[in-house]
Amino acid sequence: QVQLQESGPGLVKPSQTLSLTCTVSGGSISSGSYYWSWIRQPAGKGLEWIGRIYTSGSTNYNPSLKSRVTISVDTSKNQFSLKLSSVTAADTAVYYCARGIVLTGYYDYWGQGTLVTVSS
Amino acid sequence: DIQMTQSPSSLSASVGDRVTITCRASQSISSYLNWYQQKPGKAPKLLIYAASSLQSGVPSRFSGSGSGTDFTLTISSLQPEDFATYYCQQSYSTPQSFGQGTKLEIK
Repeated sequence: QVQLQESGPGLVKPSQTLSLTCTVSGGSISSGSYYWSWIRQPAGKGLEWIGRIYTSGSTNYNPSLKSRVTISVDTSKNQFSLKLSSVTAADTAVYYCARGIVLTGYYDYWGQGTLVTVSS
Repeated sequence: DIQMTQSPSSLSASVGDRVTITCRASQSISSYLNWYQQKPGKAPKLLIYAASSLQSGVPSRFSGSGSGTDFTLTISSLQPEDFATYYCQQSYSTPQSFGQGTKLEIK
């Protein structure tokens, strides 16, 4: 059974960089059938797609965040990561990592989510 | 960017009711439309992919239809565990996008 688990600081100061890691277990992150995404959800609001990475290292980002986002993958650790720079209170949200299916694009496995609060 | 619009935003219904939620894309997305169910404090759960394919393990009372710009999610007979928020997602192009959600509440 595939499992994804987010980890990282729950509190980040304004203007600093938010860093999260997603550890994948029960399957290889290197499979070409999948891509790996970050999605966030502010409290009481909807889902916002942040971006994705293929195991080749190719990435796509949401243009609304593109200048501040970096997603990377470490196949040796079966992990992928998110960095979001220059954060403000508007970046406070639950951050999910998820596995996407290359051919159809749906997300079949999600992490449990981790709350990141931006506050001084 | 493709905008996804769900209707209604909220819905009150009773156990046993048939419920339909609609999702409209701002441009054609073929059948690259997926539906998720989210309960409070939990990650979204995949229900339907590619507009009409039922994810393994999901009860058959859930069904999806549509193509192009207009899609529907139907629950044929509501069960107590179905009261949740539902989201559509387009995976036709990046940036991927979700509908704003439909909150299904008990009447």
